[in-house]
Amino acid sequence: SAVISQKPSRDICQRGTSLTIQCQVDSQVTMMFWYRQQPGQSLTLIATANQGSEATYESGFVIDKFPISRPNLTFSTLTVSNMSPEDSSIYLCSVHGLAGRRSYNEQFFGPGTRLTVL
Amino acid sequence: QKEVEQDPGPLSVPEGAIVSLNCTYSNSAFQYFMWYRQYSRKGPELLMYTYSSGNKEDGRFTAQVDKSSKYISLFIRDSQPSDSATYLCAMTESGGSNYKLTFGKGTLLTVNP
Repeated sequence: SAVISQKPSRDICQRGTSLTIQCQVDSQVTMMFWYRQQPGQSLTLIATANQGSEATYESGFVIDKFPISRPNLTFSTLTVSNMSPEDSSIYLCSVHGLAGRRSYNEQFFGPGTRLTVL
Repeated sequence: QKEVEQDPGPLSVPEGAIVSLNCTYSNSAFQYFMWYRQYSRKGPELLMYTYSSGNKEDGRFTAQVDKSSKYISLFIRDSQPSDSATYLCAMTESGGSNYKLTFGKGTLLTVNP
């Protein structure tokens, strides 16, 4: 599987501020995704990060709140904007379509960013 | 009704027991099925990936898919304390460009030595 890193691993932020989370993969991938994992809830897809174009957002998530960048095939960022305590969650990036991998359909996850908003 | 239902547990078993974890789903378009293991404060780790109905075995793990019943299972044989984690089922309609995973809530498993 790919080595996926996320920065920061955790943060505590004040209400109204923004945080940018970085996701770096050690090999080129076709697709990158951002998920949210709230306590007691299912992992929920926020958006698909598209290289060179705007991200594709799932119902209930908007670009103004969660702007996403993907400048190349190995890197993406997710910004959580104008944060409130309800944004406290674990944010995970995942990748799909590792170059040269026999099983093309598997999806792998990063270690997550644990965000607490006060 | 949620698309994917998974009993959150917690499930506690003695070391060496056979563990059965299950998910049901309502969307008949789901074609690919996965099981992830997530240790505390870590990201989900892909354990098993299956496409067709039937069984797939990998070491102590067996994934079972019954598309007619919309039911998937993960069996763990000879469970070990290191298997203590949250197990997430996930599924998707296709492996193409629209590769959106739908997850269950996860089952918290504790294997006691």
